[in-house]
Amino acid sequence: KAGVTQTPRYLIKTRGQQVTLSCSPISGHRSVSWYQQTPGQGLQFLFEYFSETQRNKGNFPGRFSGRQFSNSRSEMNVSTLELGDSALYLCASSLEGGAETQYFGPGTRLLVL
Amino acid sequence: AQSVTQPDIHITVSEGASLELRCNYSYGATPYLFWYVQSPGQGLQLLLKYFSGDTLVQGIKGFEAEFKRSQSSFNLRKPSVHWSDAAEYFCAVGAGAAGNKLTFGGGTRVLVKP
Repeated sequence: KAGVTQTPRYLIKTRGQQVTLSCSPISGHRSVSWYQQTPGQGLQFLFEYFSETQRNKGNFPGRFSGRQFSNSRSEMNVSTLELGDSALYLCASSLEGGAETQYFGPGTRLLVL
Repeated sequence: AQSVTQPDIHITVSEGASLELRCNYSYGATPYLFWYVQSPGQGLQLLLKYFSGDTLVQGIKGFEAEFKRSQSSFNLRKPSVHWSDAAEYFCAVGAGAAGNKLTFGGGTRVLVKP
């Protein structure tokens, strides 16, 4: 079974632009979570989607948003990019969410100039 | 709110020596605990998890961890490290029934000396 895939793997943007990242979960998984990893703040939870609905949200500004499609694929969008948004964005999937193991993708490395 | 502390930012160990990584958590209910490993430029790979039951859990790559409720700890151990174990290790606590939010510790970077 294929693992979690994320596209693109690398991205360079400039301040003020917006970006969309994509995540395809493991087949059969319905929960998709997103995390931001930076050297200063570590790994931080952004949000979780289940059955096309946002079920949990972390403490990030409204510039960070996401959605999930009927096939469980998910996208996250960051508008009006700031230098501090440079990070590794990790997507994780699990069957139903809750007390389950999350399987992580390789991440998308975003650099904002 | 839940939190995870990994007191050691860096650990250097000789190949063949034993390794122990510390993890302390704060969570109001029964925790769901995980250890993940991250190699440079890679995503996170699950080493092991604790949901309930036996407090000593076995994972992949020869790792094990022990859940101690009285100490709010979930330390990771390996009897004999290999050069390929050099990586960053993250302890995490799950929100359980509240959804799939993981709270991570700051990570411990392990360097293996030949």
